Amino acid sequence: AQRVTQPEKLLSVFKGAPVELKCNYSYSGSPELFWYVQYSRQRLQLLLRHISRESIKGFTADLNKGETSFHLKKPFAQEEDSAMYYCAYSGNTPLVFGKGTRLSVIA
Amino acid sequence: GAGVSQSPSNKVTEKGKDVELRCDPISGHTALYWYRQRLGQGLEFLIYFQGNSAPDKSGLPSDRFSAERTGESVSTLTIQRTQQEDSAVYLCASSLSGGVRELFFGEGSRLTVL
Repeated sequence: AQRVTQPEKLLSVFKGAPVELKCNYSYSGSPELFWYVQYSRQRLQLLLRHISRESIKGFTADLNKGETSFHLKKPFAQEEDSAMYYCAYSGNTPLVFGKGTRLSVIA
Repeated sequence: GAGVSQSPSNKVTEKGKDVELRCDPISGHTALYWYRQRLGQGLEFLIYFQGNSAPDKSGLPSDRFSAERTGESVSTLTIQRTQQEDSAVYLCASSLSGGVRELFFGEGSRLTVL
């Protein structure tokens, strides 16, 4: 079955510390990978996608097909990064989401 | 409208009753998706519409669940004979087309079945 695994339910880091939110997927094709974010009292929204190789709000994510991973990274966490983060992929189906990781950045 | 609109935002119902949840997608978006999020769980795909057709309804958990879309716009998710395990936040999302993977989500409808 197609699966997206986010092993950490909660990740707490201090402001200014590096952040890595882990995501692994199980799919043998050529998936598209995404990170979605939900800030407090806001809607779930797209943060970034692997095909555009962009950095959004200081976050980057590299697709590693060998390790089937798509970890989200930021070198220096900010308080406003505190949110719920969902990894998602699309093969030939609508987006499949992981269970999410809540990031808490402590001042 | 400016974004995806869902109603009601909150619904409390008794076990065995039917409920209808409504989604108004962004104007011009041909693809519409329903997801369910139970407490502490990820987003569970329910059904996808391209126009008024549902090419993928594989995620509907039982025949108590149905959905329709009319006018390539509004969609209604109906749950018949609700059970306590149906309690969840039901999220609707839309995208320009089925091949576009940037989904725009509504705020969700929180359903509580007593």
